[in-house]
Amino acid sequence: GENVEQHPSTLSVQEGDSAVIKCTYSDSASNYFPWYKQELGKGPQLIIDIRSNVGEKKDQRIAVTLNKTAKHFSLHITETQPEDSAVYFCAASTPTGNQFYFGTGTSLTVIP
Amino acid sequence: SAVISQKPSRDICQRGTSLTIQCQVDSQVTMMFWYRQQPGQSLTLIATANQGSEATYESGFVIDKFPISRPNLTFSTLTVSNMSPEDSSIYLCSAWRGYEQFFGPGTRLTVL
Repeated sequence: GENVEQHPSTLSVQEGDSAVIKCTYSDSASNYFPWYKQELGKGPQLIIDIRSNVGEKKDQRIAVTLNKTAKHFSLHITETQPEDSAVYFCAASTPTGNQFYFGTGTSLTVIP
Repeated sequence: SAVISQKPSRDICQRGTSLTIQCQVDSQVTMMFWYRQQPGQSLTLIATANQGSEATYESGFVIDKFPISRPNLTFSTLTVSNMSPEDSSIYLCSAWRGYEQFFGPGTRLTVL
């Protein structure tokens, strides 16, 4: 089955700096890679996703890059703000969605 | 995006009792999922619930312990049976729609 690894497990950055979280996957059949943000006491919220026919996708301060050959994808947050502090999970999924694998999570702290 | 609600949001239960968690989606979806999340951990898939068929359980989870119902395309329930303190966790419902997976807010369960 799929194995998704996520690094780092914790990340602290100064407000205004950039944050990068990296994930690798093992199953070449995976073609959908979402990122979730989970705030304390809440369910994960989809913030951005990318599919294997796209190398990069950007949405305001958030971007995701995908290297299908190397089987890794990354989340980039620019101009970080204190409200970006949360746990971020990457995931990998096959096209049918019935095999969905999460990374171990990254706890991001943005220091004002 | 899909709006998913769960009830109850939290509960404290006695050992040996059962709790049924309800999940409601604001639109019809084919696949619904139930996850467990231990504090500070990633999400572990319990089962996939498709309308009109029995739930498909992941390794380590059995129907007798976690019976699931899926009576229609917008609703599902998960029962945690004969609870023990090891069942204390957050239980999350999610739905797959249009190549995206959306999560409910979770049910925080504490078993004494």
